[in-house]
Amino acid sequence: DAKTTQPPSMDCAEGRAANLPCNHSTISGNEYVYWYRQIHSQGPQYIIHGLKNNETNEMASLIITEDRKSSTLILPHATLRDTAVYYCIVRARPYNQGGKLIFGQGTELSVKP
Amino acid sequence: DADVTQTPRNRITKTGKRIMLECSQTKGHDRMYWYRQDPGLGLRLIYYSFDVKDINKGEISDGYSVSRQAQAKFSLSLESAIPNQTALYFCATSVASLLAGGPPEQFFGPGTRLTVL
Repeated sequence: DAKTTQPPSMDCAEGRAANLPCNHSTISGNEYVYWYRQIHSQGPQYIIHGLKNNETNEMASLIITEDRKSSTLILPHATLRDTAVYYCIVRARPYNQGGKLIFGQGTELSVKP
Repeated sequence: DADVTQTPRNRITKTGKRIMLECSQTKGHDRMYWYRQDPGLGLRLIYYSFDVKDINKGEISDGYSVSRQAQAKFSLSLESAIPNQTALYFCATSVASLLAGGPPEQFFGPGTRLTVL
């Protein structure tokens, strides 16, 4: 699975959009980009995933660059409850080791009033 | 009610004791996983199971064993606990595959905080 690089921390004002970048310059053609978040020692929570097209669901939007070497997770109206560590993960299909999720260090997002 | 539950939520034990962590799910998923999380190291896969008859080692299985008693239950055992097994343990589940493509997302339990003295 391709390695990802994320900034260690970011701040965002409540009500504003939070844009979390992820670099995955070594991504290959069959690898998907997944985002999870972990709120203070709770179990990680799936947010969204995509291959090459932009994706949107009730939680967030995922923008993947045309060359697929980077992506941005967008929380359109951040709330205090969105304060968490956000993990960008790249996984292939078919995938190795039973779908092991390789969690890097992630980005610690702090949403401030 | 939570879809993935873990018991106990917190446990303090002594070196050399046998410990069992339990995971139950009501999602009807075939696949179940055990991870541990240490500060600064992210989550690491211990064991995973694709169905009741299929058990596989993850990247850090030494010192651990598992049992898949039923589709809904997956237990993790520490036969003789040691202090460096102090960690936050998570169980997760997933379906086998997604019709729309991509590896299926995993759904995590609330975690068990284990301390080995």
